[in-house]
Amino acid sequence: DGGITQSPKYLFRKEGQNVTLSCEQNLNHDAMYWYRQDPGQGLRLIYYSQIVNDFQKGDIAEGYSVSREKKESFPLTVTSAQKNPTAFYLCASSLRQGGLTPSTDTQYFGPGTRLTVL
Amino acid sequence: GQNIDQPTEMTATEGAIVQINCTYQTSGFNGLFWYQQHAGEAPTFLSYNVLDGLEEKGRFSSFLSRSKGYSYLLLKELQMKDSASYLCAVRDVGGYNKLIFGAGTRLAVHP
Repeated sequence: DGGITQSPKYLFRKEGQNVTLSCEQNLNHDAMYWYRQDPGQGLRLIYYSQIVNDFQKGDIAEGYSVSREKKESFPLTVTSAQKNPTAFYLCASSLRQGGLTPSTDTQYFGPGTRLTVL
Repeated sequence: GQNIDQPTEMTATEGAIVQINCTYQTSGFNGLFWYQQHAGEAPTFLSYNVLDGLEEKGRFSSFLSRSKGYSYLLLKELQMKDSASYLCAVRDVGGYNKLIFGAGTRLAVHP
């Protein structure tokens, strides 16, 4: 059945190490997004991609990097330059961006990865 | 600036009705989404409003007033499983599908 998967669900890393979070979707969605969620705050956009081989910075891109080599996959790397990486990371996808209808624009979320940097 | 306000916490009784408010001040507006998020899980889509008025979907309804920058989510016949956080998100105008999220309202339903 279709959906968005993220792995692993829990991830522990030592300070100073880069770590890559996986996000895969089989919904045939063009657009994919990465958000970060911290307690007491709204979701904040890290990066988004409208199409394969293209991605744009969101509001808090510093210390993160992404790639979009395949339509189904949008991995996020948390680098050692990210000053406060411990958070809940959510990946989302939508059929298209800017389609101006609920069916094309609604973002559907994966189960999330909780990253803890020790 | 961009600002979305929701109450931090609410409590309600099983079987009752609860209204969760959301006010927004954003530079642009192109629709408002409500999501439900159980602790430690992904947000799930509940509703979308782009025109003024009420959208009803089973036990859940969502209302929008663009002139007042105001929306609410109405949950009827509350069940214990409705205990969750409810996220209000405004879709910005522009070339991509940017959502601006509020911090969420944590709802606790008691027997």
